Amino acid sequence: SYVLTQPPSVSVAPGQTASITCGGNNIGSKSVHWYQQKPGQAPVLVVYDDSDRPSGIPERFSGSNSGNTATLTISRVEAGDEADYYCQVWDSSSDHPLVFGGGTKLTVL
Amino acid sequence: QVHLQESGPGLVKPSETLSLTCTVSGGSISSYYWSWIRQPPGKGLEWIGYIHYSGNTNYNPSLKSRVTISVDTSKNQFSLKLSSVTAADTAVYYCARLDIVLLPSEKGWFDPWGQGTLVTVSS
Repeated sequence: SYVLTQPPSVSVAPGQTASITCGGNNIGSKSVHWYQQKPGQAPVLVVYDDSDRPSGIPERFSGSNSGNTATLTISRVEAGDEADYYCQVWDSSSDHPLVFGGGTKLTVL
Repeated sequence: QVHLQESGPGLVKPSETLSLTCTVSGGSISSYYWSWIRQPPGKGLEWIGYIHYSGNTNYNPSLKSRVTISVDTSKNQFSLKLSSVTAADTAVYYCARLDIVLLPSEKGWFDPWGQGTLVTVSS
């Protein structure tokens, strides 16, 4: 099945910009979605279809996808953004179509 | 606003069958796909399978031999059965709506999610 690779952790100071990557073979040809999961809570969709935001998600959250890397960018990071972030794709060529990355822990210093 | 709520036993004995139900409120279960995802303690997310309201299913190959997902449109519910469980099946189990787009290219994402329910496999 398709493999998505995320860094285990990313640290950023408040007010700065955080970039969380998701690597995969030719991932730029796929649609990537991102979820935020705070401790003890269910995941929440923050970016879908590479760069679209669901209603209610701040504009500080944005996404991009090209080549072998997709990126979730969080601008003007706040303490409340500290969470685990997961990328996910639909691999239509596989019998395992729904794949998650291993997750990245975002720490706000 | 669609809301999903998981229900079922929090403790299951090894070798027995785990059974969970997801109740959908605030909208109809029809015209959508619905999915189960799980997360072992301290670990990442694993897709289990999905079902269309018509009854069509697709399962994770690693769990396919033990998983059954069904839907009851009259109750606006869908269910998960996982047989022959072991301690490795201990996890928080989430239900979620799977939004699928087929054209111009296939894509799918989960939104919204239920709050999750912890199922522990232990004697």
